[in-house]
Amino acid sequence: SQTIHQWPATLVQPVGSPLSLECTVEGTSNPNLYWYRQAAGRGLQLLFYSVGIGQISSEVPQNLSASRPQDRQFILSSKKLLLSDSGFYLCAWSRGAPLSGYTFGSGTRLTVV
Amino acid sequence: SQQGEEDPQALSIQEGENATMNCSYKTSINNLQWYRQNSGRGLVHLILIRSNEREKHSGRLRVTLDTSKKSSSLLITASRAADTASYFCATDAYTGANSKLTFGKGITLSVRP
Repeated sequence: SQTIHQWPATLVQPVGSPLSLECTVEGTSNPNLYWYRQAAGRGLQLLFYSVGIGQISSEVPQNLSASRPQDRQFILSSKKLLLSDSGFYLCAWSRGAPLSGYTFGSGTRLTVV
Repeated sequence: SQQGEEDPQALSIQEGENATMNCSYKTSINNLQWYRQNSGRGLVHLILIRSNEREKHSGRLRVTLDTSKKSSSLLITASRAADTASYFCATDAYTGANSKLTFGKGITLSVRP
């Protein structure tokens, strides 16, 4: 069966520090991978998505970047965190085809102080 | 930008009652999906309805889609306290490698025992 792992679960980082959040998927190959951010009491905002190794599409200009060094690994990074980067970060994967829903990780609560 | 707009923003009902949640969207879609999120957790896929479908059932869930009105509804019958969560509708204009879900802000459902 397919599983998705996302870590860490919580993170408190000072302003200006770097960030690296990792997401890995098991039990499938060539998944579509996504990073979403959820602000408190808000919906999810798509940050990045990837349809293959090294292929990253950015949805919104921001202080963050993403990389996909391996087929089932998706990394969200920042060189210098801002206060506005605080939020709940969710990784997700989908098959793309046949049509199916997304499977989400358990999320990372990032607080920038 | 958010595509789906759920209504109401919050709903409180008694256990055993039915809960109806609505979603409206703005642009053409390939499919619409509903997700549930328990507090502080990742999202769980509930049901997917294609643009050429009008109604779909899954257990106690019933989803309708009216593409002419660009709206969908999620009905949870015989609600339980465990149904307490936030519910999100999400739309996808594409399939396959171009699949990207756009989420609404969500509906907070409280089911009183």
